[in-house]
Amino acid sequence: AQKVTQAQTEISVVEKEDVTLDCVYETRDTTYYLFWYKQPPSGELVFLIRRNSFDEQNEISGRYSWNFQKSTSSFNFTITASQVVDSAVYFCALNRGSTLGRLYFGRGTQLTVWP
Amino acid sequence: NAGVTQTPKFRVLKTGQSMTLLCAQDMNHEYMYWYRQDPGMGLRLIHYSVGEGTTAKGEVPDGYNVSRLKKQNFLLGLESAAPSQTSVYFCASLRGGGIRADTQYFGPGTRLTVL
Repeated sequence: AQKVTQAQTEISVVEKEDVTLDCVYETRDTTYYLFWYKQPPSGELVFLIRRNSFDEQNEISGRYSWNFQKSTSSFNFTITASQVVDSAVYFCALNRGSTLGRLYFGRGTQLTVWP
Repeated sequence: NAGVTQTPKFRVLKTGQSMTLLCAQDMNHEYMYWYRQDPGMGLRLIHYSVGEGTTAKGEVPDGYNVSRLKKQNFLLGLESAAPSQTSVYFCASLRGGGIRADTQYFGPGTRLTVL
């Protein structure tokens, strides 16, 4: 069963538009961790953020912001004033509180930002 | 400090051939992981290790073997490659030791094609 769902397979926007990438997760654990990774065209995976289940505060880092809502099991990612360099595949991932560190990844969202 | 490195970066095999992928990390991390990434599937865990000399199966272990003879290295072997194993393989490491809030650090990936 899919533990992390990224319903948006591909998104295209024009530069300077805001864009939100959706992530819905599934777990019965009370302690868990959510992650976002970026995979640019070069292929490497870049860690963006980690959020634990006890901290529902939204986070902002420059043009990036994350909205964590336990009530809807969602951890959405918004890029404000998108830029061409934001073009990448973005993955949401879940660690179900396991000390083994296992991650369950969503299928990713391909974001293309056009100039 | 190189982080996580993978060798080779690219490889083409014929069906039935064998090969070993090498992952090395210089962060003294306890845990290491092998994932495969297929189009539209996200990353799926093949095998992982929580310490030198230990390995365990992930979601998609069939057709692969692993070994962790040294703490800094994690080897992924394909004994008889099949076209279904054409994929991009990522290695990751994590500090471990039961620290739940840790972040996995990924290598640059190995693109494997099996003809």
